[in-house]
Amino acid sequence: GAGVSQSPSNKVTEKGKDVELRCDPISGHTALYWYRQSLGQGLEFLIYFQGNSAPDKSGLPSDRFSAERTGGSVSTLTIQRTQQEDSAVYLCARSGEKGTGELFFGEGSRLTVL
Amino acid sequence: AQSVSQHNHHVILSEAASLELGCNYSYGGTVNLFWYVQYPGQHLQLLLKYFSGDPLVKGIKGFEAEFIKSKFSFNLRKPSVQWSDTAEYFCAVNAPTGRRALTFGSGTRLQVQP
Repeated sequence: GAGVSQSPSNKVTEKGKDVELRCDPISGHTALYWYRQSLGQGLEFLIYFQGNSAPDKSGLPSDRFSAERTGGSVSTLTIQRTQQEDSAVYLCARSGEKGTGELFFGEGSRLTVL
Repeated sequence: AQSVSQHNHHVILSEAASLELGCNYSYGGTVNLFWYVQYPGQHLQLLLKYFSGDPLVKGIKGFEAEFIKSKFSFNLRKPSVQWSDTAEYFCAVNAPTGRRALTFGSGTRLQVQP
């Protein structure tokens, strides 16, 4: 694949519950991105991790969303008190080796909030 | 802030027809430009990219795109489409400096009929 593993691939939850989505990129790439893909909406940037720098959280839609990256590798996106409008595919991507902005995406985690 | 517009939301073509998908971006500085493709049930993958040099870039599977700086455009073309080109196509842009996250358009769904 693209060197990015995401889990779970599908998650169905009830409104108000918290969910955690995991991204595990292959080692050696310092930049990691989370995007959200909603039907007909394209890809919406959520958050970006680059090495030891403070993450760029400018795309997070509300304070119910948070993400962390431990040890410069695995990242977890957490959505608290989920709402139906949070239903989407959440995509994780790693940077390409030359730092040009090219991204390699995982398969995504499809979240359905009932 | 960067933005990307894809004016064709859904395109239906017959096999062997020519394809052109529009992409316009809004950003005043130097940009890197990308087209990504998402085949049904698969993850996003890079189709082609432009960083500098020859404004006509060639990608995989016979696709090409032309960067026209004066028009802020990066249209995707293919002379003769195949049924296997059925997919969703996303144009994306980022700036070489500053925030490296790609800004995506809303996507164009291409349906090729045999």
